[in-house]
Amino acid sequence: DTAVSQTPKYLVTQMGNDKSIKCEQNLGHDTMYWYKQDSKKFLKIMFSYNNKELIINETVPNRFSPKSPDKAHLNLHINSLELGDSAVYFCASSQTGTGMNVRGYTFGSGTRLTVV
Amino acid sequence: AQTVTQSQPEMSVQEAETVTLSCTYDTSENNYYLFWYKQPPSRQMILVIRQEAYKQQNATENRFSVNFQKAAKSFSLKISDSQLGDTAMYFCALVGMRFGAGTRLTVKP
Repeated sequence: DTAVSQTPKYLVTQMGNDKSIKCEQNLGHDTMYWYKQDSKKFLKIMFSYNNKELIINETVPNRFSPKSPDKAHLNLHINSLELGDSAVYFCASSQTGTGMNVRGYTFGSGTRLTVV
Repeated sequence: AQTVTQSQPEMSVQEAETVTLSCTYDTSENNYYLFWYKQPPSRQMILVIRQEAYKQQNATENRFSVNFQKAAKSFSLKISDSQLGDTAMYFCALVGMRFGAGTRLTVKP
């Protein structure tokens, strides 16, 4: 069973459209994240979210918004898509804590978004 | 602020040889965790190895090992007996998931 699953894997859409990417984790982790990987492979955190706190990277445009219906899901909504939004978007999850609980993040397989 | 620096954008190695990827970091935390992730052409992010800062012993996972120098804030990854399947982007990361810019490793037959 896939630990962190994202849908769709590929998304091609026109400028100005609104789209969503879904993410689900079945690991029982308490925190989920969205990352953007640009064409140069640089990974940039966009959001981190647990039951208590949403942390937004201040450089992320407010056209991007996370929506979490429950702790196992963190969807990414993007309004008024722009050409520069084209990238691979990764969802990830982790369990906060100390010691052996800090095992790093488990990533989804990514969604390649192409805005034309 | 936390930073992670990978100074080698690209590296190559012959199959069966050993290669070392460099990573330096900066953090004000005293106890923290460091990770190496691999991203093959399939783009899946795969955790390769993790190191806890309070442990002096270097972590090892089969052919992968690290050289962790806490005072120098250095965390290099050594891949022994390189295999073609090791061809990938490798990212160093600090807990809180600050990633370095990545090193593209190519293993040549």
